[in-house]
Amino acid sequence: EIVMTQSPATLSVSPGERATLSCRASQSVSTNLAWYQQKSGQAPRLLIYGASTRATGIPARFSGSGSGTEFTLTISSLQSEDFAVYYCQHYNTWPLTFGGGTKVEIK
Amino acid sequence: EVQLLESGGGLVQPGGSLRLSCAASGFTFNSHAMNWVRQAPGKGLEWVSNIGVDSLYTHYADSVKGRLTISRDNSKNTLYLQMNNLRVEDTAVYYCAKRAYGDYGAFDMWGQGTMVTVSS
Repeated sequence: EIVMTQSPATLSVSPGERATLSCRASQSVSTNLAWYQQKSGQAPRLLIYGASTRATGIPARFSGSGSGTEFTLTISSLQSEDFAVYYCQHYNTWPLTFGGGTKVEIK
Repeated sequence: EVQLLESGGGLVQPGGSLRLSCAASGFTFNSHAMNWVRQAPGKGLEWVSNIGVDSLYTHYADSVKGRLTISRDNSKNTLYLQMNNLRVEDTAVYYCAKRAYGDYGAFDMWGQGTMVTVSS
């Protein structure tokens, strides 16, 4: 099983600042990596797939990068609606696994 | 509008059974693999199971293998999860999710979830 490790667990950021979230895979997943956003009481929403492609309707302030085992989600200028929990997930092999999440909170 | 609507959750005793359903609309259901993902209260996301477009293959997390069974009825645009021999640790919100590209890809659409509580 591929273990996905996200850091930090919590990120305190002021509105308008840049946020950088990390995700590490225990073995290579190529670019078969997705990022999801989950707000309290809601279902997850796909942000990024293929490590760097924004999903339909996702604002350009969200960007993804990386390949192999190291991945990054960057939110260039945090808006109030971006404070949420973010999960990475690989879909390279079975079983599919998620990271433990990074909570982005208001500083 | 693309929509996934789960139902069937509830309170069940340990060792009991439930069947979850996920009704799909707004897309060609029989062209996409489908998944169940769960989230225990206050915890992160856990992938549970996947079924291919024509049900020829299924995959399960080790934590549910032998107790949970995924299936689909393409004529009814519905995904199912038969849950047997339930344990307290199965307590979670269960989401159905659609894969983006046939049998491949990220989960580009999620339902709103249905709560399963296993308790005596």
